[in-house]
Amino acid sequence: AQSVAQPEDQVNVAEGNPLTVKCTYSVSGNPYLFWYVQYPNRGLQFLLKYITGDNLVKGSYGFEAEFNKSQTSFHLKKPSALVSDSALYFCAVSQSGSGNTGKLIFGQGTTLQVKP
Amino acid sequence: NAGVTQTPKFQVLKTGQSMTLQCAQDMNHEYMSWYRQDPGMGLRLIHYSVGAGITDQGEVPNGYNVSRSTTEDFPLRLLSAAPSQTSVYFCASRRKALGGTGELFFGEGSRLTVL
Repeated sequence: AQSVAQPEDQVNVAEGNPLTVKCTYSVSGNPYLFWYVQYPNRGLQFLLKYITGDNLVKGSYGFEAEFNKSQTSFHLKKPSALVSDSALYFCAVSQSGSGNTGKLIFGQGTTLQVKP
Repeated sequence: NAGVTQTPKFQVLKTGQSMTLQCAQDMNHEYMSWYRQDPGMGLRLIHYSVGAGITDQGEVPNGYNVSRSTTEDFPLRLLSAAPSQTSVYFCASRRKALGGTGELFFGEGSRLTVL
């Protein structure tokens, strides 16, 4: 069965500092990995995804994530945090070979707080 | 662009009442799904559909029914609401052809309280 873990409920960082939001996953085959962001009282928005190829993927708003197969991780990073990055971040995984169903399983979410 | 539209945004029910959460998308996405979001538990998949006339269960289907008569609409029915169904519900869609590689497009959510 697929699963995703986000070990930190909250990450605090000062504006201008680099940020990392951690994610580890478990799937039986090759993973498809995603990051989504949720602002207060809004739906989730897609940030970036890893399907295959280069382990470092770049996404919206200056975010990037690194796929590490040996550590089964897909950490979200940004070189310089902005106050406006403060939001709830979700990591998610689906499994290759699942055809059209491709069910997406989400982690618990990590609240990112960027302080001025 | 409307994208994924959910109604109502807020609803309060009494235990035992029934209701339907509506979801419509205008992107011609074959795949549609319902999630519930609870604090500390992330999003959990309730039901999903890969096209009109086809539905299947997700992780937490008990207490919920769905149907898919058109590509655009995917309503979620609570037949007899329980306090445990107090949650925020999200509808999401994507192109079926992309399978698990495609990103989901989410609605704004429906906040349901069951007293």
